[in-house]
Amino acid sequence: DAEITQSPRHKITETGRQVTLACHQTWNHNNMFWYRQDLGHGLRLIHYSYGVHDTNKGEVSDGYSVSRSNTEDLPLTLESAASSQTSVYFCASSEVADTDTQYFGPGTRLTVL
Amino acid sequence: GESVGLHLPTLSVQEGDNSIINCAYSNSASDYFIWYKQESGKGPQFIIDIRSNMDKRQGQRVTVLLNKTVKHLSLQIAATQPGDSAVYFCAEWESGRALTFGSGTRLQVQP
Repeated sequence: DAEITQSPRHKITETGRQVTLACHQTWNHNNMFWYRQDLGHGLRLIHYSYGVHDTNKGEVSDGYSVSRSNTEDLPLTLESAASSQTSVYFCASSEVADTDTQYFGPGTRLTVL
Repeated sequence: GESVGLHLPTLSVQEGDNSIINCAYSNSASDYFIWYKQESGKGPQFIIDIRSNMDKRQGQRVTVLLNKTVKHLSLQIAATQPGDSAVYFCAEWESGRALTFGSGTRLQVQP
C-alpha cells in the first residue's frame, strides 16, 4: 500500500547541530509539505514543494531548508538547531488537483537541548 | 507519542450520543474545506471534505455542514464511539494558497 513515512520518529539533539528529518512517500504525489505542531499553535507550514527541484517558504521557514531531488523525498534540514525548534514535525503530500487534500506521515518528535 | 495540545477546547460526550464540532474560518475566498482527525501519537487523518458550492456532505457516520454567510464549518459525528476520541482540525483552502489549519478541538468520549 502507498504510504508516507518519516524518520527518525524521535530525535534529541544539541543546540547548534545540524539535523535532517526524512520524509518519504510512495503515492507519487507531486506536492509535499513540512509542518511543525506546537502547543497552542496548531499546524504551521514550514516549507513546501510542488515538484522536483521546486521549493517554497511557508509561514515559519526561518532556520529550516528543504531540497527536492526526486518525487518521493523531501528532507527537512535544521541548519543550526535552536531550542525554539523543539516540536513535533509532520510531513504531508497531496496530488496536483483543484483541491489540496493532504495525507500526513506519523510525525517526528524533535527535542533540542 | 506526539502530544497535540493540552489547552485545546474540549468536547466531552457520552458514547452513543451525537457530537458536533465547530470551526470558524477566516478567508471568505476559501473554496474547499477539510476535516482531519488526529489521534494521540499519530499524524492528522483525512475524514471528510466539502467544496464551497455545497452546504452539506455526508460520509459514514459523519456529516459536514458549511455556512458561508457566517464562515462556519461543523462536523457532526453520529453515535459517537470511544474510537472517535481525538483532536479534530478543520482546514480551509483557496486556490493558489496553502492549506490553513484551525487550532483543533479535543473530543473525549465517555464510556
